[in-house]
Amino acid sequence: SQQGEEDPQALSIQEGENATMNCSYKTSINNLQWYRQNSGRGLVHLILIRSNEREKHSGRLRVTLDTSKKSSSLLITASRAADTASYFCATNQGAQKLVFGQGTRLTINP
Amino acid sequence: NAGVMQNPRHLVRRRGQEARLRCSPMKGHSHVYWYRQLPEEGLKFMVYLQKENIIDESGMPKERFSAEFPKEGPSILRIQQVVRGDSAAYFCASSPAGQGTNEKLFFGSGTQLSVL
Repeated sequence: SQQGEEDPQALSIQEGENATMNCSYKTSINNLQWYRQNSGRGLVHLILIRSNEREKHSGRLRVTLDTSKKSSSLLITASRAADTASYFCATNQGAQKLVFGQGTRLTINP
Repeated sequence: NAGVMQNPRHLVRRRGQEARLRCSPMKGHSHVYWYRQLPEEGLKFMVYLQKENIIDESGMPKERFSAEFPKEGPSILRIQQVVRGDSAAYFCASSPAGQGTNEKLFFGSGTQLSVL
């Protein structure tokens, strides 16, 4: 079964608003990563947060990690139509592979 | 530096035929991962390979599926005697080192396999 579980499964907001997606996982991790997938394309790495970090920023992206709750959130500020995509969290759980969640489908309405 | 290259982009096979999916990792990357994605779902891990070695094949069905990453040439995911349930997008990813070193993955554009 997939390790990460994203919430919500789908999110639709107006351009300019902020979008928040959550990810929960079950076992201990070394790091948690967020990826983006445009329709019909491969995944693109957005940001990696290590287990000893609590928050990380990259441009309009802000990621938090709460290892006590085994959860992470991805915030996209000032959303744009081009942000429309599916977003996945992934954890490596100390193993040799990344395990992906089911994803959040984000739609930005112009 | 070219990204991860997968071919073919689309592959149509009839039930019972063989499907061979190819993946050339990014230059300098010796770690390759194969994932499978059904519509509207996440990626499911299949197999992790380093040059000439299978490191983890826990996500790959024991029958009909095999993978290799030879010393020279691309990684190959081979599906024998395909069935309709094999229809999916298959993604390859590579990294310069294993996931134990906090490495991100670089993905190819995938191969969409359709079984008629």
